[in-house]
Amino acid sequence: RKEVEQDPGPFNVPEGATVAFNCTYSNSASQSFFWYRQDCRKEPKLLMSVYSSGNEDGRFTAQLNRASQYISLLIRDSKLSDSATYLCVVNPGSNYQLIWGAGTKLIIKP
Amino acid sequence: GAVVSQHPSRVICKSGTSVKIECRSLDFQATTMFWYRQFPKQSLMLMATSNEGSKATYEQGVEKDKFLINHASLTLSTLTVTSAHPEDSSFYICSASSAGGGTYEQYFGPGTRLTVT
Repeated sequence: RKEVEQDPGPFNVPEGATVAFNCTYSNSASQSFFWYRQDCRKEPKLLMSVYSSGNEDGRFTAQLNRASQYISLLIRDSKLSDSATYLCVVNPGSNYQLIWGAGTKLIIKP
Repeated sequence: GAVVSQHPSRVICKSGTSVKIECRSLDFQATTMFWYRQFPKQSLMLMATSNEGSKATYEQGVEKDKFLINHASLTLSTLTVTSAHPEDSSFYICSASSAGGGTYEQYFGPGTRLTVT
């Protein structure tokens, strides 16, 4: 089992729709969780950290479920510019090393 | 804030030559820097972790004598690909973290696309 698993997609979604991704992690002791976004042939950029209480940033909502060991990302009112690969990232312990999921590709269609 | 630069952005070299890639944190001190490699349509793969002033820690399967990492200061780390071969062609990305805050966020450089002919 991979340490961090994501559905690779692609998710083809019409503009304006709501889309949700899940990501599961295997290490129950993991401490920090993030969603990164990566555009084609570019470096990843931090989208948001995921807190135990859940957090929202505009159209983006992230949730953490420790009992089931998954995190989710919800995008509302999707825009064409949201097309990218979304990477689920987990810090498994008390250091700076991150474990990366393979990413979920999202394609927003007009 | 939290800007990381990488140089060069793109390099083409001949097989057997060496290539040095620089990673700089421009507005913060990076106690830890990471070097990743990404092949097309694949996820980031961590190559090594380096802390300023100490030897890098390499991931399993990454040859330390081939991928030389030097983290000489809190704002600069370099990766040298020695005796490059076509299979080393990839997208190399560095990232940096700063101590404190405990959030373990990493800030990425724009990447270096290496093509070995």
